[in-house]
Amino acid sequence: DQQVKQNSPSLSVQEGRISILNCDYTNSMFDYFLWYKKYPAEGPTFLISISSIKDKNEDGRFTVFLNKSAKHLSLHIVPSQPGDSAVYFCAASANFGNEKLTFGTGTRLTIIP
Amino acid sequence: GAVVSQHPSRVICKSGTSVKIECRSLDFQATTMFWYRQFPKQSLMLMATSNEGSKATYEQGVEKDKFLINHASLTLSTLTVTSAHPEDSSFYICSAIRWDTRFQETQYFGPGTRLLVL
Repeated sequence: DQQVKQNSPSLSVQEGRISILNCDYTNSMFDYFLWYKKYPAEGPTFLISISSIKDKNEDGRFTVFLNKSAKHLSLHIVPSQPGDSAVYFCAASANFGNEKLTFGTGTRLTIIP
Repeated sequence: GAVVSQHPSRVICKSGTSVKIECRSLDFQATTMFWYRQFPKQSLMLMATSNEGSKATYEQGVEKDKFLINHASLTLSTLTVTSAHPEDSSFYICSAIRWDTRFQETQYFGPGTRLLVL
């Protein structure tokens, strides 16, 4: 049973436009959510996180939105740049990040110049 | 969908003992698996890349004699923490790569193993 789902395996966005990556979760115990970015042949690197006490967290071009009632979060990247092309993983944890991470299957983002 | 399992899900051991953690791809063959160590809040450290039939590739700073990795089959990789110490206490997460017919890779993560060394 996939507790964290990323239903879009791939996404293509024009450079300069907004990229929106979506993630859904089913476990109501999750209260801490993270996005990781992964380049080929490298491990995932942390990008941005959000706690369930907030509904938005912003860091530069990256914003994560959390809709607890819908059990849905999204990552917005604006403006999108060619270097953003990578696989993005959504992850969730309970106990405000002190429990095991549960990962989605990733979305491959391609930024078109 | 593809599933990756880990066993055990949690283990408590005494300092100085060795602990083996298994990572299995349940419905696909994985020539490549990864082992990660999770640190509080956000940090996920890649420890090593496990390749079926060959030696694992360790990341800088990871002791290969302490963290033994064996990828004995296309569906199983094991991580053995030798002479475990309390500072080795952590979550250990594996992942496996599946390739589709278009040669695109998808990485599936295991559920993690919680290791507590007393």
